Amino acid sequence: QSALTQPASVSGSPGQSITISCTGTSSDIGGYDYVSWYQQHPGKAPKLIIYDVSTRPSGVSDRFSGSKSGNTASLTISGLQAEDEADYYCSSYTRTNTRLFGGGTKLTVL
Amino acid sequence: QVQLQQWGAGLLKPSETLSLTCTVYGGSLNGYYWSWIRQPPGKGLEWIGEINHTGRTNYNPSLKSRVTISLDTSKNQFSLNLSSVTAADTAIYYCARATIKRADPWGQGTLVTVSS
Repeated sequence: QSALTQPASVSGSPGQSITISCTGTSSDIGGYDYVSWYQQHPGKAPKLIIYDVSTRPSGVSDRFSGSKSGNTASLTISGLQAEDEADYYCSSYTRTNTRLFGGGTKLTVL
Repeated sequence: QVQLQQWGAGLLKPSETLSLTCTVYGGSLNGYYWSWIRQPPGKGLEWIGEINHTGRTNYNPSLKSRVTISLDTSKNQFSLNLSSVTAADTAIYYCARATIKRADPWGQGTLVTVSS
């Protein structure tokens, strides 16, 4: 099974909005609304920030939002802050009862 | 609040078996999948596999022949065994609680290095 496809890097200035895409197939992202997103700061374990495509866990800023269209999911971060600089990973449940992660996107806040 | 604490050997020789254990504090094993995920240095996340409270397992097809995930309900623990390791298995290994929707929380991670 191939990893989900994410851009290697994105960047934005404080206050701006950025969007990270995550592309899969009809066997994973396109087939289920079970897309999740994780934020990982250097040396730390990943942290869940979005699940069920667009649901934020308690305590996660409403500057983070998720969406999906067809086989592509997206994470949007609005009002960029320095603390948002991190790696971001998407994940999806699959038709074969496995899970896939994206390759990860490094967000740089300029 | 559920917390996961993991431990295991951090340095292995090629062909040895990797063994890690994760203890679940503050919650039951029931109703969840208990997962292992790894991250090679400087690279992305790779899902290894999972087990639920009934002992049902799902594995990454690329690792399935070498992976065993098991459960010890009496100790609220689950474990990962990965046989015949090579340098390509060098990674930070994480345990996590999972459902079909999400993986949360995660353990602190264990760096496992395979070197002769």
